[in-house]
Amino acid sequence: NAGVTQTPKFQVLKTGQSMTLQCAQDMNHEYMSWYRQDPGMGLRLIHYSVGAGITDQGEVPNGYNVSRSTTEDFPLRLLSAAPSQTSVYFCASSYTGINEKLFFGSGTQLSVL
Amino acid sequence: GQQVMQIPQYQHVQEGEDFTTYCNSSTTLSNIQWYKQRPGGHPVFLIQLVKSGEVKKQKRLTFQFGEAKKNSSLHITATQTTDVGTYFCAGPHTGTASKLTFGTGTRLQVTL
Repeated sequence: NAGVTQTPKFQVLKTGQSMTLQCAQDMNHEYMSWYRQDPGMGLRLIHYSVGAGITDQGEVPNGYNVSRSTTEDFPLRLLSAAPSQTSVYFCASSYTGINEKLFFGSGTQLSVL
Repeated sequence: GQQVMQIPQYQHVQEGEDFTTYCNSSTTLSNIQWYKQRPGGHPVFLIQLVKSGEVKKQKRLTFQFGEAKKNSSLHITATQTTDVGTYFCAGPHTGTASKLTFGTGTRLQVTL
């Protein structure tokens, strides 16, 4: 099993550009989520999904869209990148939800100029 | 909104010294999880505590969940350089079953 795979590992965008961060897991996990990590602020939840076709907002959803068309994939879309979205993004998944351990991907470091 | 704070933010110890990080929630938690993130890495699950007053040990690491289920601690005995990293606690967001709120983290540096 590859676990949780995130691509790309690094990305530089210009303000206003759009892009999609990919996340895939091969563990048949129902729950998937996206976090951003900024210095001194821990991990903040952007969006999450409890199963294919179901998504919901986390703490900091503005500027981001998600979809969950399959159990395996949970892409995160930046609609119009802003410098405030410069961060490290982590995708995480678990079998059924937050009351069991999360498996994290290796992260995407995003810079918006 | 719900807040999960950790103290200290940063601690620098010499190898062999003990280390403790504290996690405090503004609301009662049904359970609490602990994660470790090595520099440049991703968070890795360490343990989950569920019961009030629960204590669990993993080798040199001791985890406690407070009686009121609003605080928790992680104690490392005789730190080693392999303990370097940031330790996060995390608990379910109040009022939802699907949002996990992470603490602000404690960064541990260990030198010889």
